[in-house]
Amino acid sequence: GDSVTQMEGPVTLSEEAFLTINCTYTATGYPSLFWYVQYPGEGLQLLLKATKADDKGSNKGFEATYRKETTSFHLEKGSVQVSDSAVYFCALSADSGNTPLVFGKGTRLSVIA
Amino acid sequence: ETGVTQTPRHLVMGMTNKKSLKCEQHLGHNAMYWYKQSAKKPLELMFVYNFKEQTENNSVPSRFSPECPNSSHLFLHLHTLQPEDSALYLCASSYKFRDSPLHFGNGTRLTVT
Repeated sequence: GDSVTQMEGPVTLSEEAFLTINCTYTATGYPSLFWYVQYPGEGLQLLLKATKADDKGSNKGFEATYRKETTSFHLEKGSVQVSDSAVYFCALSADSGNTPLVFGKGTRLSVIA
Repeated sequence: ETGVTQTPRHLVMGMTNKKSLKCEQHLGHNAMYWYKQSAKKPLELMFVYNFKEQTENNSVPSRFSPECPNSSHLFLHLHTLQPEDSALYLCASSYKFRDSPLHFGNGTRLTVT
C-alpha cells in the first residue's frame, strides 16, 4: 500500500540555521504530496502542497519540490526562527482520490535562540 | 480560528463513564474525519464520513461510536474506555476530491483514569 517515510526526530537547530526534513513516499500512479505543521496545543494545518512532478510548493519561507525520480518531497527552509518550532508531517493523497491522506510519523523541530 | 471547532478541549473521564466529543465545521466541506494522536505513535485514522455516510472504520474498538447527523457536525461517543485510550483526538474536514487539504480542529485532550 501507499506509505510515507520521514526522517526521525527530534531535530534541534539554532535560529537562522538551514532546515531540511526528508520525506520519501511509496505510491502507485501520481499522488499529490503535502506538508502539514502542528504547533504546540493545536491541530495540524496545511503548510504547502504539490500535485504533480517537478511542482514546488512554498509557504512562509518553506519549500518542497515533488521529485518523482527519487520519490521524495523534502521540506527546506533557509533560515529557521524560534516560531518554527513544531511537528512537521509529510502526507500523500493517492492518485485515485478515493482513500484518505496517508501521513508520515512526524518530525519534531526545536529551534533555539 | 481554524474553521473546525472541537469541544471540549480537555476531558478527564473514568473507565465507566460515558461522554461525547463534538466537532463542528462551517467550511462547506462534505467529508469529516476522526483521528487519534498518541505520544510517540503515528497519527491514526479512526473514521471517515462522506456526505454523512461512514466510508471508513479502521478496526476501531466498539467502545468508540461515531455519529454524523449532517455534513457540519461529527460526534465521537465514548463508553467504558481504557487508560490506553488517553490521547489527543483530532477532527478534520475536507472537500471530497483528491487535492483537497484537510482542515483540523485543535483537538480534545482525553485522559482516562
